[in-house]
Amino acid sequence: DTGVSQDPRHKITKRGQNVTFRCDPISEHNRLYWYRQTLGQGPEFLTYFQNEAQLEKSRLLSDRFSAERPKGSFSTLEIQRTEQGDSAMYLCASSWGQGINNEQFFGPGTRLTVL
Amino acid sequence: GESVGLHLPTLSVQEGDNSIINCAYSNSASDYFIWYKQESGKGPQFIIDIRSNMDKRQGQRVTVLLNKTVKHLSLQIAATQPGDSAVYFCAEPPRTNDYKLSFGAGTTVTVRA
Repeated sequence: DTGVSQDPRHKITKRGQNVTFRCDPISEHNRLYWYRQTLGQGPEFLTYFQNEAQLEKSRLLSDRFSAERPKGSFSTLEIQRTEQGDSAMYLCASSWGQGINNEQFFGPGTRLTVL
Repeated sequence: GESVGLHLPTLSVQEGDNSIINCAYSNSASDYFIWYKQESGKGPQFIIDIRSNMDKRQGQRVTVLLNKTVKHLSLQIAATQPGDSAVYFCAEPPRTNDYKLSFGAGTTVTVRA
């Protein structure tokens, strides 16, 4: 257990429905990241927060995706009008530091299946 | 696109033997690399990192070697144990001063009893 928790661990939904995932990082960590991982591949970066500010979004993050970190603590990732291609593991990670190259601690992920 | 990649998608090793997992990168300016281990149903777990001003770094039963001349790094696991069965990823920030990580596709290590 890294100290990063994600909820739910599994989500099955029908195409077209909206889903929301939650990530609780390690409490003192100022940075929070979302990644997506498909079967047999490494995680792919989606977006990143420093405190409550969303500083970068990948081009993988279409308009149907939105992420928030309202108080600089937990974060939510919402996917609207889900598509079968959204089926993947969604990983959250957090880190602490003022500089680059700080160890990222990953949560267990939320596995999304879109039927 | 990804800037790091692994040579082999799978590796089968006898328990007690040493494992070597390889990774090639393309950006000669890359200055920081990390190895992660991901067990089934879990998120990636940090194993060890190395900066470009080093050629070698050792941890507990693991050693990472960095060859900047050929842009190659490797993870060596000594006396491989059943608990080492997992997918191993090398990762790096895709650009200098970048916070996010770019991962390779991973090598699945299976330990034979």
